[in-house]
Amino acid sequence: EAQVTQNPRYLITVTGKKLTVTCSQNMNHEYMSWYRQDPGLGLRQIYYSMNVEATDKGDVPEGYKVSRKEKRNFPLILESPSPNQTSLYFCASRRRTSGGDFQETQYFGPGTRLLVL
Amino acid sequence: AQKITQTQPGMFVQEKEAVTLDCTYDTSDPSYGLFWYKQPSSGEMIFLIYQGSYDQQNATEGRYSLNFQKARKSANLVISASQLGDSAMYFCAMRGVSGNTPLVFGKGTRLSVIA
Repeated sequence: EAQVTQNPRYLITVTGKKLTVTCSQNMNHEYMSWYRQDPGLGLRQIYYSMNVEATDKGDVPEGYKVSRKEKRNFPLILESPSPNQTSLYFCASRRRTSGGDFQETQYFGPGTRLLVL
Repeated sequence: AQKITQTQPGMFVQEKEAVTLDCTYDTSDPSYGLFWYKQPSSGEMIFLIYQGSYDQQNATEGRYSLNFQKARKSANLVISASQLGDSAMYFCAMRGVSGNTPLVFGKGTRLSVIA
């Protein structure tokens, strides 16, 4: 079954304690990204990656790191979490497309609910 | 840059009735794609429907149809014959000319279907 998996699904942590949210996809997609969802703000992109070893900042990258050492994995790292990073996080992937081809569906993981105390 | 505006924070609809969720967008790209996603209370994001800016016909997927009015820059989602299971958040999103630009989302509309 084609899917994007995230772990953990739920996490409660304390300020300053480093954490990693893993993301893995089994569709051989080149493009992967992380979003955070906050009430009243919709989904905002944190980082994205167009292929292995190619990552770039999205709209809200501060306080986050990512890596893309393998095509299937795209972990999100919070080196020193703060309460304002309490949010619902989504990993997503899709096939990389050439210009003019927009229809490629973006597949989302189930989400990770993070609470930073 | 792209921008999506969903002006309805919440909507109510009677079961079996049709409902339209509004979405307007702004972009300077000559071509783009428009998407709608559903997010039930369980949290996952479910792709519903896609419309390309050069598509001649409005997209339809089962009970979902997209009322695309390019001149008005609107891409409203129409759900026919609403069901209780349609109660969810609905997000409009778009992507611009480069195939690798991010998906930009609106703030969402919460739809509640009443029995």
